[in-house]
Amino acid sequence: AQTVTQSQPEMSVQEAETVTLSCTYDTSENNYYLFWYKQPPSRQMILVIRQEAYKQQNATENRFSVNFQKAAKSFSLKISDSQLGDTAMYFCAFMKPLTGNQFYFGTGTSLTVIP
Amino acid sequence: AAGVIQSPRHLIKEKRETATLKCYPIPRHDTVYWYQQGPGQDPQFLISFYEKMQSDKGSIPDRFSAQQFSDYHSELNMSSLELGDSALYFCASSLGRYSGRARDEQYFGPGTRLTVT
Repeated sequence: AQTVTQSQPEMSVQEAETVTLSCTYDTSENNYYLFWYKQPPSRQMILVIRQEAYKQQNATENRFSVNFQKAAKSFSLKISDSQLGDTAMYFCAFMKPLTGNQFYFGTGTSLTVIP
Repeated sequence: AAGVIQSPRHLIKEKRETATLKCYPIPRHDTVYWYQQGPGQDPQFLISFYEKMQSDKGSIPDRFSAQQFSDYHSELNMSSLELGDSALYFCASSLGRYSGRARDEQYFGPGTRLTVT
């Protein structure tokens, strides 16, 4: 079974600053996908960024970028120029394609952006 | 753009009652996933369907059943409800299991909040 670990239950960052959320995972697979989802107080699950394991280049989406270290099984999320709207729970998720495609989520990191 | 629709958004039931949650995937999406998120917990995979057939099963209790219909909408039926079933139930949809990149793009619905009293 796949396990996803987020070791930071809560984090805070000043508005406009940069913050990094950590995520590690355990798998014996070579081909998989990793995701970061944001869950604001509305509880909606919003995709932030995705990374294919076979790609060495780190994914970026505007202010969001990842540091994907495949050998270390690490997948951290960096949020630059933090905004108040970034306040949310962030879940790291692992997905193994072609065998169900279900997501395995970490326990989440609650991020608060301080004005 | 159309998103995943879940109904109802909120549901209150008593113990031992039955509940039915509905999920309408994004048009053309043929794969549906159900997740359960307890209070303060991460979402847990319950079950998924591809082309109206059950494709995978996670930690779904025997008291729960689900199916996908010909129009690709899915229903999660929950019987003999227990207090511990109180949770947010997410449905997600994707374009298919073997559709290249599209298969890994799961789009989540807003969730149905079930409260069992």
